[in-house]
Amino acid sequence: RKEVEQDPGPFNVPEGATVAFNCTYSNSASQSFFWYRQDCRKEPKLLMSVYSSGNEDGRFTAQLNRASQYISLLIRDSKLSDSATYLCVVNGPDAGNNRKLIWGLGTSLAVNP
Amino acid sequence: DAGVIQSPRHEVTEMGQEVTLRCKPISGHDYLFWYRQTMMRGLELLIYFNNNVPIDDSGMPEDRFSAKMPNASFSTLKIQPSEPRDSAVYFCASSLRLAGGWGGTDTQYFGPGTRLTVL
Repeated sequence: RKEVEQDPGPFNVPEGATVAFNCTYSNSASQSFFWYRQDCRKEPKLLMSVYSSGNEDGRFTAQLNRASQYISLLIRDSKLSDSATYLCVVNGPDAGNNRKLIWGLGTSLAVNP
Repeated sequence: DAGVIQSPRHEVTEMGQEVTLRCKPISGHDYLFWYRQTMMRGLELLIYFNNNVPIDDSGMPEDRFSAKMPNASFSTLKIQPSEPRDSAVYFCASSLRLAGGWGGTDTQYFGPGTRLTVL
């Protein structure tokens, strides 16, 4: 099993739609979780951290499910500008590397007019 | 505020040549990371430094790769000799702290990347 797994997509949705991505992780001891966004041929940028209680930032909501070891990202009222690849990031395995971030391959989102 | 600066932005070289990638982190950040991104393998951490000291280089593919950080404002990643399979985008990133910090101090800020093509 990969350390961090994401559905690569692509997810094609119309403007205004609600879309959700899931990401599963293998290390039950992971403590830090993030969603980064990467535009085509650009660098990744932090979208939001994921807290145990879940958190919301405008149209974006992130949730953590420790029992099932997954995190989710919900985007409401999709905009054309939301088109990007969304990277799930989890801090890595123990044995000295517990705080190394492990990156998923990303989920591609295309929002269509 | 200037972000992370990388140079060159694009590099095309022939197999066997030496390649040097450069990075200037955000001033005041204690951690510097070198990543490689390909379609097949995604974003892979190669090495990271804390206060100019290499902490974990387990991601460095082989002895052809080396990285240095002579001071807090400069780091290099060198590939010698380069091979076609090294073709990728190489990102440098910096952060105040490692993952697990509070208040966004563990956010990694990436440079624009160096797109390397080895022919």
